[in-house]
Amino acid sequence: DTAVSQTPKYLVTQMGNDKSIKCEQNLGHDTMYWYKQDSKKFLKIMFSYNNKELIINETVPNRFSPKSPDKAHLNLHINSLELGDSAVYFCASKGQGDNQPQHFGDGTRLSIL
Amino acid sequence: QQQVKQSPQSLIVQKGGISIINCAYENTAFDYFPWYQQFPGKGPALLIAIRPDVSEKKEGRFTISFNKSAKQFSLHIMDSQPGDSATYFCAASMRVTNAGKSTFGDGTTLTVKP
Repeated sequence: DTAVSQTPKYLVTQMGNDKSIKCEQNLGHDTMYWYKQDSKKFLKIMFSYNNKELIINETVPNRFSPKSPDKAHLNLHINSLELGDSAVYFCASKGQGDNQPQHFGDGTRLSIL
Repeated sequence: QQQVKQSPQSLIVQKGGISIINCAYENTAFDYFPWYQQFPGKGPALLIAIRPDVSEKKEGRFTISFNKSAKQFSLHIMDSQPGDSATYFCAASMRVTNAGKSTFGDGTTLTVKP
C-alpha cells in the first residue's frame, strides 16, 4: 500500500560504523531523491536519481554513496558515520512531467552514539 | 538565487483563527510552488500547489495567494484547527531542465491552541 517506503525507520549505531538505508517506491516514478532533515527541521536535498542515473549531487561528503539498482529503488550507504550525521533521512519520488509534487517516505531517524 | 525564504519560523494561533505563512523567492525561473505539511514522525506531504499563471488557489480551508511581481506567495489556513498543528514547508521548482529539483523554505511550525 505504502507509496514510498524506507527501511529501517530507526537506526542507532556507533560512530565509525557503516550503515545503509533502503528506499522503494511503487508509484512508477522515474525520479527519486534523498533529503536530510536536521534537528531544526531544515530539509536539504542530498541526491537525485532519474531512471537510475545520478542527476543531482549536492555538496555531500563522499562518505555518502547512493545506489539505484532500478528506478523503483534508491538506497543510501554511509561510511564511517560521524556524530553530525545524526538526522532524519527522507526518500522521495516524483513522476514525470512538469509541476509534479514529490512524494516522501516517513523517514529514517539515524542516531549516532 | 535558489533560495526560498519562509516566515515566520513558528506560529501560534487560536482555534478558529487564520494562520498565514509567507514565502519569498528570487529566481523568476521557478514555475511551480507547492506547500507541504509534515506531522511528527511522518514525511512531508503535498498540501496544495500553485503555478504562477494564477494569483490564488483555494482547496477547502487552505488558500495560496501568489504575487508574481513581488515574487512572494503565502499559505492561508482559515478556521484553523488543532489537527492543523504541523510543520509547513513552502517550495519552488522549475521545469524538468532542473531535474525537478525543489528548493524548500526552512519550515514553519504551526501550533493551533484549542
